[in-house]
Amino acid sequence: GEDVEQSLFLSVREGDSSVINCTYTDSSSTYLYWYKQEPGAGLQLLTYIFSNMDMKQDQRLTVLLNKKDKHLSLRIADTQTGDSAIYFCAETAGGGNKLTFGTGTQLKVEL
Amino acid sequence: GAVVSQHPSWVICKSGTSVKIECRSLDFQATTMFWYRQFPKQSLMLMATSNEGSKATYEQGVEKDKFLINHASLTLSTLTVTSAHPEDSSFYICSAAAGRNTGELFFGEGSRLTVL
Repeated sequence: GEDVEQSLFLSVREGDSSVINCTYTDSSSTYLYWYKQEPGAGLQLLTYIFSNMDMKQDQRLTVLLNKKDKHLSLRIADTQTGDSAIYFCAETAGGGNKLTFGTGTQLKVEL
Repeated sequence: GAVVSQHPSWVICKSGTSVKIECRSLDFQATTMFWYRQFPKQSLMLMATSNEGSKATYEQGVEKDKFLINHASLTLSTLTVTSAHPEDSSFYICSAAAGRNTGELFFGEGSRLTVL
């Protein structure tokens, strides 16, 4: 089956950049996603990238995709305390709407 | 963006009873909805794919008689946990696709089930 791996925890200071990494195994992934989950809440789609792209920027968010190494990253510029949450990468397992989620990275932003 | 609402957000029940969780797409029609289960500090585990007007597709290891899914309309899917036991206590989350087959899903707020 498909595996999607992430680091479990990341701590940064307010104002610094955060980089959350993700590796996946399914080479047929069409879209790759980053979702944010705040405590006790559902998931919020932050951004996604199509597999034929290397980079996508959306305000403070930059997504980098290395398809050869099956590596996806999310960079958050000027990290704020409100960015503290769990971040999940996800991929379509062979396309469509059925997603495989990563293990999640808890981001803690300190003052 | 599209809104998906779950109800109830938190439920406590006695062991042996059944609990129904609703997932509604408020401003769009969803032919497909997904149900997930999330344990503390863990990722989402897909339980089943709910298809409007047909039977749900369950993931391997998920008991279909235990977790009954009904998707009777384009805006409502329900998950019923039958004869709940303490090990069924978890955070249940639904998502819906707003038509396009791109994997862009909209998630409900989640429902926390505690079985005593």
